[in-house]
Amino acid sequence: AQSVTQLDSQVPVFEEAPVELRCNYSSSVSVYLFWYVQYPNQGLQLLLKYLSGSTLVKGINGFEAEFNKSQTSFHLRKPSVHISDTAEYFCAVTTGRRALTFGSGTRLQVQP
Amino acid sequence: GAVVSQHPSWVICKSGTSVKIECRSLDFQATTMFWYRQFPKQSLMLMATSNEGSKATYEQGVEKDKFLINHASLTLSTLTVTSAHPEDSSFYICSARAGQVEGNTEAFFGQGTRLTVV
Repeated sequence: AQSVTQLDSQVPVFEEAPVELRCNYSSSVSVYLFWYVQYPNQGLQLLLKYLSGSTLVKGINGFEAEFNKSQTSFHLRKPSVHISDTAEYFCAVTTGRRALTFGSGTRLQVQP
Repeated sequence: GAVVSQHPSWVICKSGTSVKIECRSLDFQATTMFWYRQFPKQSLMLMATSNEGSKATYEQGVEKDKFLINHASLTLSTLTVTSAHPEDSSFYICSARAGQVEGNTEAFFGQGTRLTVV
């Protein structure tokens, strides 16, 4: 079985400050990892994904994440956030053909 | 990226009636579609997985007779909430996957359907 833990339910941060949203996973086999963003009453938009290769993954909107196998983590980072980054962020994992398993989500609140 | 269209985006229905939600892959053939349910301020919970031409596989605790899923073609899956009750009010999201190519299992999401049962 696979699981995802997002340690922070809410992360308040000032505009232009850096941010890190934490994600840890558990799986007995190799996994593929994803970060999605969700704006109110909307579906999910893919920010970035790790399938294989380089452990540092760059995504859209200036986000990046680093896969750390030894720590079973896939933390999401952005060096400078904007008001428009305020949203819900979900980390997700799959081992292959199965559906994604999502974390509980982290609410990023960017304040002016 | 690929586009998945979900319709309607919101619907209000009376208790006891049935509601159908459509999920279409617009520019690719979706061999597998997933249906999720999301309660306010919570994560997405997988309800069922459907493969084109076969019966859906439901997650534990999901009533298959209440949430009817049909995946009759490679571009369309439908979720019908039968005899809806207020506790079925939720945000329903579908996702579609073209298939597994060299480990790429990316699934594309619809924009979701807000169901309110009154």
